[in-house]
Amino acid sequence: QSALTQPASVSGSPGQSITISCTGTSSDVGGYNYVSWYQQHPGRAPKLMIYDVRNRPSGVSNRFSGSKSGNTASLTISGLQAEDEADYYCSSFTSSSTLVFGGGTKLTVL
Amino acid sequence: EVQLVESGGGLVQPGGSLRLSCAASGFTFSSYAMSWVRQAPGKGLEWVSGIGATGGGTYYADSVKGRFTISRDNSKNTLFLQMNSLRAEDTAVYYCAKDASVVVAATPNYWGQGTLVTVSS
Repeated sequence: QSALTQPASVSGSPGQSITISCTGTSSDVGGYNYVSWYQQHPGRAPKLMIYDVRNRPSGVSNRFSGSKSGNTASLTISGLQAEDEADYYCSSFTSSSTLVFGGGTKLTVL
Repeated sequence: EVQLVESGGGLVQPGGSLRLSCAASGFTFSSYAMSWVRQAPGKGLEWVSGIGATGGGTYYADSVKGRFTISRDNSKNTLFLQMNSLRAEDTAVYYCAKDASVVVAATPNYWGQGTLVTVSS
């Protein structure tokens, strides 16, 4: 199972919006709505930010939103804040009943 | 509050074995699928294995199939990962993760703090 494709890095200034893409295939992202996004700060465990393509767990800021079109999912963060600087990973359920992650995107808040 | 506490990591020689445990609390353990996810130093996340809520249905990444075995003891709220024939490339922090439902590998929504496994001579 190949990893989902994410940009290695993105950046934005405080208050701006950024979008991170996550491209897979019809056997994972395109075939299921089990697409999630995780935030990971250095030395910490990943934290679920978006699940089932567009749903936010309780306690996650509404500045975070998710969407999907075909084989590509996207995470948008609006009103960027310094605390958003972290690594972000997408994941998807696959047709083999496994989970595949993206390679990760490093978000820098300028 | 959901808590997942991994243990059992350490230094092991290539070809050796190690058994990881994950003690769960704060939720009805027997109602949720569980997964192991690893992260090599400086690298991204890699799903390793998942198991159904009742223990039936186990799934593995190709990279560990035939070497690793996932299991659970619902009477003790504990998840396990038996790792055999370990290789240098298995060196990573291993996270225990609770899935959001009975569907294995769909949505890990809570993670432990991880346990480090180092495979080196």
